[in-house]
Amino acid sequence: AQKITQTQPGMFVQEKEAVTLDCTYDTSDPSYGLFWYKQPSSGEMIFLIYQGSYDQQNATEGRYSLNFQKARKSANLVISASQLGDSAMYFCAMRGFYSSASKIIFGSGTRLSIRP
Amino acid sequence: DTAVSQTPKYLVTQMGNDKSIKCEQNLGHDTMYWYKQDSKKFLKIMFSYNNKELIINETVPNRFSPKSPDKAHLNLHINSLELGDSAVYFCASRGPGQNQETQYFGPGTRLLVL
Repeated sequence: AQKITQTQPGMFVQEKEAVTLDCTYDTSDPSYGLFWYKQPSSGEMIFLIYQGSYDQQNATEGRYSLNFQKARKSANLVISASQLGDSAMYFCAMRGFYSSASKIIFGSGTRLSIRP
Repeated sequence: DTAVSQTPKYLVTQMGNDKSIKCEQNLGHDTMYWYKQDSKKFLKIMFSYNNKELIINETVPNRFSPKSPDKAHLNLHINSLELGDSAVYFCASRGPGQNQETQYFGPGTRLLVL
């Protein structure tokens, strides 16, 4: 069975500070992908970053980086120099690659609020 | 040039009615999905189609029937709507090509059943 756990329901961070959003996962698939999505108050789901389980390096996309620790089964999202526009819900997700029909599962989300 | 589009964006209807939500993607993807996001923001997959073939069918009431006329479209028809069907429904699509593992979401359809 696959599981994604986000233990921080909400976080407050001062503008311009870095923030780490926690995500742990569990899967029996030998290869899998990990994702982070952002959902602002307007409601759309915005893809941020992807990490493959066999990628040698941690993924980075602009101010977003994924701190992937395979042995610990964690895939934390790091946002550097936070901005007011970063205030949103953030979802961690995973898909196992054992089957083409395998589904992506989402964590319960973390609501991030950036203070000016 | 919207990548994944859904119509309508908002849907308010009475209990017992039948309604449809349409989804179209112009990304050339071959896999499409329907998700339901409840009031607590929890996202759960409902269905997935690959090349017009149903590949994922979660435990969803059979009042919900997806239809994929072609690879670029995946519609969701809901019969006999119930209060508990009120939610945001997201369509998404994936691969092949670059970033083939990433799912790209539509803007969502906010369904309110009265």
